[in-house]
Amino acid sequence: EAGVTQFPSHSVIEKGQTVTLRCDPISGHDNLYWYRRVMGKEIKFLLHFVKESKQDESGMPNNRFLAERTGGTYSTLKVQPAELEDSGVYFCASSQDPGPYEQYFGPGTRLTVT
Amino acid sequence: GENVEQHPSTLSVQEGDSAVIKCTYSDSASNYFPWYKQELGKGPQLIIDIRSNVGEKKDQRIAVTLNKTAKHFSLHITETQPEDSAVYFCAAINGGRGGSNYKLTFGKGTLLTVNP
Repeated sequence: EAGVTQFPSHSVIEKGQTVTLRCDPISGHDNLYWYRRVMGKEIKFLLHFVKESKQDESGMPNNRFLAERTGGTYSTLKVQPAELEDSGVYFCASSQDPGPYEQYFGPGTRLTVT
Repeated sequence: GENVEQHPSTLSVQEGDSAVIKCTYSDSASNYFPWYKQELGKGPQLIIDIRSNVGEKKDQRIAVTLNKTAKHFSLHITETQPEDSAVYFCAAINGGRGGSNYKLTFGKGTLLTVNP
């Protein structure tokens, strides 16, 4: 069974540009999460989808971040326009229903904003 | 909201020794406590977890203990090997009604180095 995959693995962009990160969850997992780790700090929650619906967006830092999950399959996280403080590693995770337990993480996308 | 403290931030042991990493949490309603191992260039890998109705869980060389009264849980690795070297994260979640539901709150991580 394939794990969670993320693309790209690394992105370097200039301040003010736009970047779109993609996540493909484990097949059959209705729950999809985005997390971020900035500058060696703890991994922090961004948002949670159940199928195509946003269940919890409490961790999204501001309206420059837009997440979508078309058709309840893969998800994208767009940052527009990117700022220096957006640099970090963005992780996607997925879990089966019911419950939030056993969240499996992807390899992450390292975003560098210069 | 939930706050998770993790200690130590770095831990160096000799191959064959045991390693213990400790975490405390603030939300008494938290009921699920996973541990993740992150190797260089990879994502966090779930290695063991425990739910609040259990005090201890073992899986070969790793074990997790939970003290709900004191609100702390620990990861124990016995007979450490060089391939155990990685960053370890603890996390907590309140998966029940009225809690944070599906959001994992992480500790800051422990860099474990196992010296051959």
